[in-house]
Amino acid sequence: SAVISQKPSRDICQRGTSLTIQCQVDSQVTMMFWYRQQPGQSLTLIATANQGSEATYESGFVIDKFPISRPNLTFSTLTVSNMSPEDSSIYLCSVGRGGRETQYFGPGTRLLVL
Amino acid sequence: QKEVEQDPGPLSVPEGAIVSLNCTYSNSAFQYFMWYRQYSRKGPELLMYTYSSGNKEDGRFTAQVDKSSKYISLFIRDSQPSDSATYLCAMTGANNLFFGTGTRLTVIP
Repeated sequence: SAVISQKPSRDICQRGTSLTIQCQVDSQVTMMFWYRQQPGQSLTLIATANQGSEATYESGFVIDKFPISRPNLTFSTLTVSNMSPEDSSIYLCSVGRGGRETQYFGPGTRLLVL
Repeated sequence: QKEVEQDPGPLSVPEGAIVSLNCTYSNSAFQYFMWYRQYSRKGPELLMYTYSSGNKEDGRFTAQVDKSSKYISLFIRDSQPSDSATYLCAMTGANNLFFGTGTRLTVIP
């Protein structure tokens, strides 16, 4: 498995501001992912964070809204930009060991946008 | 049609009961099937991982996959209050993971 930490664990933000979420892994990993988890809904993949290149975004998510950095093999950030109340959610990072099918998740960041 | 369907529950059982959690799916390309456990205010924890059809047992937990019916199950024997959590199924072919919405389980002492 992997030990994954996220900062902040929770935050309350004002509409129109931006928040950057950090994800730190205890060992080098090739694959890192960012998910959103909303009440009563499935985990939704936002993007795959690629080390040394641009992130790969899923349908419905764009770089301007969710810019991602992956400066090395143990760290990634997700920024939620120009926030609205609809962005209130839990944001999770995960890492893949061996392949996408074995993913390990961080504790999540609970975001509330007022 | 959703890729993965999972009954959200909630499901309440007495301590010691056998729990059955299930998911159905529509994509016959799925080959890898996972169960995650998520405690309140925590991230999902990988519980079981199965490739293709068949059974896999780990302690009190048994995962079953029936690809012909596109149906997977997680059985928990001798359930404990510490098993109270939301259980998420997940599956993939070769690309992204597709998750169920989760079943909330409460084991009553």
